[in-house]
Amino acid sequence: GAVVSQHPSWVICKSGTSVKIECRSLDFQATTMFWYRQFPKQSLMLMATSNEGSKATYEQGVEKDKFLINHASLTLSTLTVTSAHPEDSSFYICSARDPLELAEAYNEQFFGPGTRLTVL
Amino acid sequence: AQTVTQSQPEMSVQEAETVTLSCTYDTSESDYYLFWYKQPPSRQMILVIRQEAYKQQNATENRFSVNFQKAAKSFSLKISDSQLGDAAMYFCAYSPSPFTGTASKLTFGTGTRLQVTL
Repeated sequence: GAVVSQHPSWVICKSGTSVKIECRSLDFQATTMFWYRQFPKQSLMLMATSNEGSKATYEQGVEKDKFLINHASLTLSTLTVTSAHPEDSSFYICSARDPLELAEAYNEQFFGPGTRLTVL
Repeated sequence: AQTVTQSQPEMSVQEAETVTLSCTYDTSESDYYLFWYKQPPSRQMILVIRQEAYKQQNATENRFSVNFQKAAKSFSLKISDSQLGDAAMYFCAYSPSPFTGTASKLTFGTGTRLQVTL
């Protein structure tokens, strides 16, 4: 199956700093990637849909200026948490769709392993 | 907006036994996809099984099968011959058909934590 990686797997930062999380599709080109947020013992909440070469589409209630998404290539999308605060501490997960495989027809998303962000 | 409901926060099953996890959803669409994802302690999301709404036949993947009741908007997951490695969070998810031209976002339920006991 298709592989999606995330880097870093965990990060600890001070309040007020910015943190960048990378999401890469390793063996396929992803025109669309998704960013989710998961609080402890809760479900995944979609934050935004990232489209290669265009602006991301954010879900209602997600601050665009707070969570900057860039999808500059077909294999890389980045999420930057700007001026992070303790309430931004969470588990961030990305996923990608493979447009050239049956996954597209089956609407399957391939998930990265997640990034745990802790803001002190 | 579509919603997905999992009414069982926690379930427990003995090894080798069978357990059924419940999921209901709400949508006005006629064509869509339903999924069950497993999230073990590593937190890596793993696709367990998927069902296309236009298919009447219930999907099956080895020990995992679903009971898809379209009219009732119900999508339960049955795990047979449960194994210790099945212990995880299980999320039911809904997605519109990609052929509708939408971004095909996944909407997740709140999850069911499955414990497997000896």
